[in-house]
Amino acid sequence: RKEVEQDPGPFNVPEGATVAFNCTYSNSASQSFFWYRQDCRKEPKLLMSVYSSGNEDGRFTAQLNRASQYISLLIRDSKLSDSATYLCVVNPNDMRFGAGTRLTVKP
Amino acid sequence: DTGVSQDPRHKITKRGQNVTFRCDPISEHNRLYWYRQTLGQGPEFLTYFQNEAQLEKSRLLSDRFSAERPKGSFSTLEIQRTEQGDSAMYLCASSIAALELFFGEGSRLTVL
Repeated sequence: RKEVEQDPGPFNVPEGATVAFNCTYSNSASQSFFWYRQDCRKEPKLLMSVYSSGNEDGRFTAQLNRASQYISLLIRDSKLSDSATYLCVVNPNDMRFGAGTRLTVKP
Repeated sequence: DTGVSQDPRHKITKRGQNVTFRCDPISEHNRLYWYRQTLGQGPEFLTYFQNEAQLEKSRLLSDRFSAERPKGSFSTLEIQRTEQGDSAMYLCASSIAALELFFGEGSRLTVL
């Protein structure tokens, strides 16, 4: 089993749709969790950290479920500019990335 | 520019040659990470340093790969006897402890 697994997608959604991604991890000792965004041919950049109580940043909501060992990202009212690959990152001691979920938002 | 810088940005080499990549992290960052990324995949962890100590190295990494961070500042990643399967983007990132990773733009390796 991979340490961090994501649904690769692709997710193709219309503008204004709500879309959710999940990411499961295998190391129960993992301490910190993040969502990164990567645009085509660019380096990954932090989208948001994931806190135990869940957190929201504008249209983006991240949640952590330690019992089931997964994190999620919800994007509401999706925009064309949200089209990118979304990577989850799990940190037991190092920083392990999932394979990424590709999102395309269409007009 | 005070971000993470990587050099060279592009490297084309023949199979069997050695290549070395350099990463200069953000100056106050104590952690430095190396990743490899191929098309359609997420960054694959290779190794990381805390200051000058190499704390973890991926089991996937063969003996042909070695990384150093001699003074706890810049780092080098060397690949010996390159193979076509080594062709990828090599990404360096730095952070303060286990907080946000800041990535360089990467070094793209093509092995002919």
